[in-house]
Amino acid sequence: GENVEQHPSTLSVQEGDSAVIKCTYSDSASNYFPWYKQELGKRPQLIIDIRSNVGEKKDQRIAVTLNKTAKHFSLHITETQPEDSAVYFCAASQDGGFKTIFGAGTRLFVKA
Amino acid sequence: NAGVTQTPKFQVLKTGQSMTLQCAQDMNHNSMYWYRQDPGMGLRLIYYSASEGTTDKGEVPNGYNVSRLNKREFSLRLESAAPSQTSVYFCASRTVNYGYTFGSGTRLTVV
Repeated sequence: GENVEQHPSTLSVQEGDSAVIKCTYSDSASNYFPWYKQELGKRPQLIIDIRSNVGEKKDQRIAVTLNKTAKHFSLHITETQPEDSAVYFCAASQDGGFKTIFGAGTRLFVKA
Repeated sequence: NAGVTQTPKFQVLKTGQSMTLQCAQDMNHNSMYWYRQDPGMGLRLIYYSASEGTTDKGEVPNGYNVSRLNKREFSLRLESAAPSQTSVYFCASRTVNYGYTFGSGTRLTVV
């Protein structure tokens, strides 16, 4: 069945460094790729998304890249801050579809 | 706007008891979802409702039932709770071709 693999499961960086989280999806029909941030004890929140007709999207310190041929997409966080510490989930779905496949999550620690 | 509102926030049940988790959204979204989140397992879809009047099974539907009461409300029922249903439950809604808005979650413990 369809799945999304997410790596690494845990990532620890020093404040100010960059963090990269990578995902691979299996369903070639997927064309919408959102990223969610979940702080401890809170709900997941959409932070950025990308569609298959775009290779890269940026929003301040976060960016997402997509390689549709390789079925890879990645989240890049620059100049990390302690408040970036959270679990990040990637996901894949089809426009117009109702099922989203989530990665298992990456726990990011930003050390001050 | 409140977004997606879930009740209750916490619940402890005894094995075999039943309960209903309530969810309401005020964003006029057509589709609504119930997910469960277990440590190390990410988010798994229990049931979803593509539009008012329709419901469909997700990845882990066994032991659950749902009702799409109207466009705003989508409830999840556990008829006979089991310890394996101890989890955090999230309701979510979305508009076409966009990401989810999640509720604040229900932390359920079945003893």
